[in-house]
Amino acid sequence: GNSVTQMEGPVTLSEEAFLTINCTYTATGYPSLFWYVQYPGEGLQLLLKATKADDKGSNKGFEATYRKETTSFHLEKGSVQVSDSAVYFCALSYGGSQGNLIFGKGTKLSVKP
Amino acid sequence: GAGVSQSPRYKVAKRGQDVALRCDPISGHVSLFWYQQALGQGPEFLTYFQNEAQLDKSGLPSDRFFAERPEGSVSTLKIQRTQQEDSAVYLCASSKLAGGGVDTQYFGPGTRLTVL
Repeated sequence: GNSVTQMEGPVTLSEEAFLTINCTYTATGYPSLFWYVQYPGEGLQLLLKATKADDKGSNKGFEATYRKETTSFHLEKGSVQVSDSAVYFCALSYGGSQGNLIFGKGTKLSVKP
Repeated sequence: GAGVSQSPRYKVAKRGQDVALRCDPISGHVSLFWYQQALGQGPEFLTYFQNEAQLDKSGLPSDRFFAERPEGSVSTLKIQRTQQEDSAVYLCASSKLAGGGVDTQYFGPGTRLTVL
């Protein structure tokens, strides 16, 4: 079946460090890929998305590239801030009548000043 | 504008009680999804509505779970005879277009259900 696997957390970084959170997926066909973020005390919100192979999604300094050959969608940021501390979820969806999101387990990021 | 709202935010139920969880989606959004998020896990799909039609209920874990959206706006997730394994955060999401998919899903804050 379709599934998403992301790296286990928690991840603890110092401010201005480089961030990578790995995400790989198992799916048939061509899903769209997403990163959602959940800040402390807040609801899930879309961070970025990519709808086809080689697309790069970007937002707030975060980037992820849809790599079909490696079935991956790794999240990266060049210089993290304390305010980036949150739980990050990788997800896929097919749209249409199968528009529900399939999420990974989440990766908690803590950024220390 | 207002986002997705859910009520109650917290619910404690004794095992065997029935509960009803409410979701108010963003006005005009066609699609509405319910997800269940266990502690330390990612959300898992429960059911999907397009307007008032429930097009997919494949994720509902048992026949104790029932959802409705009678007028195509507010939705209610009902759990009958609650069990301890039903303890989780229940998330509602809405999106503007039919089918969700690449359309952005906007999530509510969730209802945390604890079954004693």
